Amino acid sequence: EVQLVQSGAEVKQPGESLKISCRASGYSFTKYWIAWVRQMPGKGLEWMGIINPGDSHTTYSSSFQGQVTFSADKSISTAYLQWSSLKASDTALYYCARFPCGGGSCYSDYWGQGALVTVSS
Amino acid sequence: QSVLTQPPSVSAAPGQKVTISCSGSTSNIGNNYVSWYQQLPGTAPKLLIYDNNKRPSGIPDRFSGSKSGTSATLGITGLQTGDEADYYCGAWDSLSAHVFGTGTKVTVL
Repeated sequence: EVQLVQSGAEVKQPGESLKISCRASGYSFTKYWIAWVRQMPGKGLEWMGIINPGDSHTTYSSSFQGQVTFSADKSISTAYLQWSSLKASDTALYYCARFPCGGGSCYSDYWGQGALVTVSS
Repeated sequence: QSVLTQPPSVSAAPGQKVTISCSGSTSNIGNNYVSWYQQLPGTAPKLLIYDNNKRPSGIPDRFSGSKSGTSATLGITGLQTGDEADYYCGAWDSLSAHVFGTGTKVTVL
């Protein structure tokens, strides 16, 4: 059974750093991209970008380029999303998802449960 | 950020049919496949349709997808109270990588 299990909720202050995780199981981790998706309170889904766990190649949405960093550790089948300096506007629910993509066919077929990040002073 | 436009809401009585449109452009829907997601209240999104009209295992055939030109449509027949959720389309975009639609709230009257 494919599963993506994300780390728990975080409460941070502005300016702090944070790294959240997404542990995959039930499939070969290096064979599928992992996507990250943001959902701000009461808002829709925003695609942040993807990472190839096999070679750590990344593609960021222009809205998130330079704001976050994706990484992956294939030895433990885990992807990460990190911030070096959080802002209040980073408060949101963050999802990871397995992202099969090729030949114009790209979609998120399995999703993590989401990780709530709250940034407040 | 969304370049795929959906109606904010649609509604219908139990047992009826609803359709949700997703309007894009040649950089996304016009030249790539469309997927659809259901997000029930307080839960993670779930894949309903991929490659325009394919259903993953376990998704009932009450849900269907179609595409024509730069637009796509999700249809839900035999509407049930359990279908009340937010629905999003998605597609690869040659300019923006991947994009989601603006989202549509389905209400069962």
